[in-house]
Amino acid sequence: GDSVTQMEGPVTLSEEAFLTINCTYTATGYPSLFWYVQYPGEGLQLLLKATKADDKGSNKGFEATYRKETTSFHLEKGSVQVSDSAVYFCALNQAAGNKLTFGGGTRVLVKP
Amino acid sequence: GAGVSQSPSNKVTEKGKDVELRCDPISGHTALYWYRQSLGQGLEFLIYFQGNSAPDKSGLPSDRFSAERTGGSVSTLTIQRTQQEDSAVYLCASSIGQGTTEAFFGQGTRLTVV
Repeated sequence: GDSVTQMEGPVTLSEEAFLTINCTYTATGYPSLFWYVQYPGEGLQLLLKATKADDKGSNKGFEATYRKETTSFHLEKGSVQVSDSAVYFCALNQAAGNKLTFGGGTRVLVKP
Repeated sequence: GAGVSQSPSNKVTEKGKDVELRCDPISGHTALYWYRQSLGQGLEFLIYFQGNSAPDKSGLPSDRFSAERTGGSVSTLTIQRTQQEDSAVYLCASSIGQGTTEAFFGQGTRLTVV
């Protein structure tokens, strides 16, 4: 079945550092890919998405590119802020089944 | 409503009791999901409803867990004879039912079994 693997955390960074969170997936067909974020004390919310190969999703300074050849959707941000401290989840969704499959989540802590 | 609403927000129950968790999805959303998030853990899929199709129950951990969705809208997740390992945050999400669209999550119900 479908699966998503993302790097384990916690990831601890200093403000203005570069952030990368790796995400790879296993799926048949051509799934849509998502990054969700869960800020402390809040619910999950969509951060960005990409629906086909080579698409780049971007939001709030974060970017991720759908790489079908490497089945990856790595999340990057060039200069993190303390407010980016959160848990980040990579997810995929097959159009036919429409069931979101999540990775295990990566906790990111940004220190001032 | 404007978003996915879950109730109660917190529930403390004694081991062996039954509990019901409620989810009000966004109006017009045909897909509804239940997930479980244990402390420090990722998201565990429980059940998925899509329109009038038979629900995907493949994630329910035991026969103590059941869920229904009445009239294609409100959903109730029922846990019978609760155990301490059932303690977690139960999350509900809904979407318009197409694979490329995002799911919107509620704030969750924090269940504590004592």
